This record gives sequence, C-alpha cells and structure tokens, in this order.
Amino acid sequence: GAGVSQTPSNKVTEKGKYVELRCDPISGHTALYWYRQSLGQGPEFLIYFQGTGAADDSGLPNDRFFAVRPEGSVSTLKIQRTERGDSAVYLCASSLTGQGAMGGYTFGSGTRLTVV
Amino acid sequence: RKEVEQDPGPFNVPEGATVAFNCTYSNSASQSFFWYRQDCRKEPKLLMSVYSSGNEDGRFTAQLNRASQYISLLIRDSKLSDSATYLCVVEFYFGTGTSLTVIP
Repeated sequence: GAGVSQTPSNKVTEKGKYVELRCDPISGHTALYWYRQSLGQGPEFLIYFQGTGAADDSGLPNDRFFAVRPEGSVSTLKIQRTERGDSAVYLCASSLTGQGAMGGYTFGSGTRLTVV
Repeated sequence: RKEVEQDPGPFNVPEGATVAFNCTYSNSASQSFFWYRQDCRKEPKLLMSVYSSGNEDGRFTAQLNRASQYISLLIRDSKLSDSATYLCVVEFYFGTGTSLTVIP
C-alpha cells in the first residue's frame, strides 16, 4: 500500500483479555518495527523484523508480548493477559532495508490501546 | 542506561529565533542517525537524516559528532509551524523528544 496501515485505530479491552494489533507495511519494505509510546515519552522500541524473522526482540517487556510476521509482510503484535500498564499508543514502522535504513522509518498512525 | 538521551525541554522561543537541540547516544558503533518531528497525537515523521559531514535542509541543520557521541539539530528563523516535538533517532532507538513552542 501507499503507507503503513495499522488496525484497529483504537482498542478498548478489559484487564486480563487478549488483544491483537495489526500492521500492514509499505509494499516492498523488508524491515518492520513495533514501538509503544506513552504520553510525554518517545517511542519505545519493542521488536524489529527483517523479512519473516525477528532480528531483535530485546524491547519486548515480558513474555505476555509476542509478535509475528509469517509471510514477511503483515505483522501482528499479540498481548496476553493485558494489564492497565499496557495502555499506550502502539506504533508500527517499516523501512526499505534493515537497520541503518538510509530512508529512515515510515510510521503508521498507531493503535491506541486502553486497558480498563 | 538508555540508548539515546535527549533533553525533554520544553523550549519556548520567539518567532525568528535560532534554537538547537542535542542528543547523546551510548553505542559508539551506531551507523544511522535521524531527526523526526512529531505533532500532537500524530505519528512521528522523518525530518532529516544525519550524515557524518553534517547536512542542511533549508532552515534546518543536522550534525553528528562521533567522538563525543552526540547529534544536534539547529533550526534557524523559527516559524510558528515549527512548534512540535523533535525526536532524535540512533539506529532504531528514539529519544524522549524535545518539545518546542514558537511564540508569536
């Protein structure tokens, strides 16, 4: 597609529930990144995919968070047993090449997750 | 220790002023550097890449100092429309962002 698409744009869920957030990167972009952003903070790195594989998942806060990119395009971020502290805007970005991308990272408009 | 450290500000400057932001990074092997702009409740957007020799784009100048491990952004002749949060990026790690408000 023309840009990075994230769905849903907003998600309200109850504490303890499971959620999936979807990211559709720019066509042809091999690298995909997930971040979360809380108010007043910069985007916090979660995970980076190069193709289908997770090249760096060091930012995932704990084992409740998991992400996949099975065909090297669309990615899903999965959060189990959600907690109120998971409330944030989850941003996805893609780049033409991997780490050190000369063209930088293009972001989607994010999914605002609220855990009540 | 954070990968990227950035003064959150806020910076409040009059129109026409020159303002500079700095950002330090911890990994000396880092190869890619960027400045992003983020408007309220919007996604970050690429402002400019930062090259070793320094680079300029209109009123914006970015510089990299590898020896001291910092990058900088200089905005000349500030406009009201420059009001935003400016994020430095090293590899794919973002700073906390610096808030800029340009006052008429």
